[in-house]
Amino acid sequence: ETGVTQSPTHLIKTRGQQVTLRCSSQSGHNTVSWYQQALGQGPQFIFQYYREEENGRGNFPPRFSGLQFPNYSSELNVNALELDDSALYLCATQEGNQPQHFGDGTRLSIL
Amino acid sequence: QKEVEQNSGPLSVPEGAIASLNCTYSDRGSQSFFWYRQYSGKSPELIMSIYSNGDKEDGRFTAQLNKASQYVSLLIRDSQPSDSATYLCAVLPYYGNNRLAFGKGNQVVVIP
Repeated sequence: ETGVTQSPTHLIKTRGQQVTLRCSSQSGHNTVSWYQQALGQGPQFIFQYYREEENGRGNFPPRFSGLQFPNYSSELNVNALELDDSALYLCATQEGNQPQHFGDGTRLSIL
Repeated sequence: QKEVEQNSGPLSVPEGAIASLNCTYSDRGSQSFFWYRQYSGKSPELIMSIYSNGDKEDGRFTAQLNKASQYVSLLIRDSQPSDSATYLCAVLPYYGNNRLAFGKGNQVVVIP
């Protein structure tokens, strides 16, 4: 049990739609990172938030955006969904320099 | 060159044997290294972290780090069917704001 909760667990969308994924963690975990994991691949870093500010971004287009709230929960928003966006989306939180722990993920399918 | 490489194909080991997994990384300045276990359809679970050269043991798991060779390995002793999973090597590059770089993973199948 990592104390990291993601919602929803599964989601089906069609091309061109928009989606919002959510993540919450134990208090004190002020850093949240989002990753995309395609089938058969390792997770790929999307971006990270620290105290409500973006703190690094991977090689993802601007239609991937995020937010972190004062309670350290976070959202990942994806606009103009494409078929290749089908993946497991993982949220990971950490306290200070401790290792990152993942939530159960959201499985996103694009039709 | 990929940041983190795990090149071995699926690994089948008999129950009770040792499973050995290897990983290389490209950023010589990396200081933190992790092994995550991922069961099919689930999220990655941290099983080992290692920060200095040498071996680190935790139960049946041993992580080995050689920074000069930019090499990390994981040994699973007395393999059990419950160890059947994909093992992901992750590295925290020196540059990079705490973002983990992952290999693509190695599947381990323990045969009873």
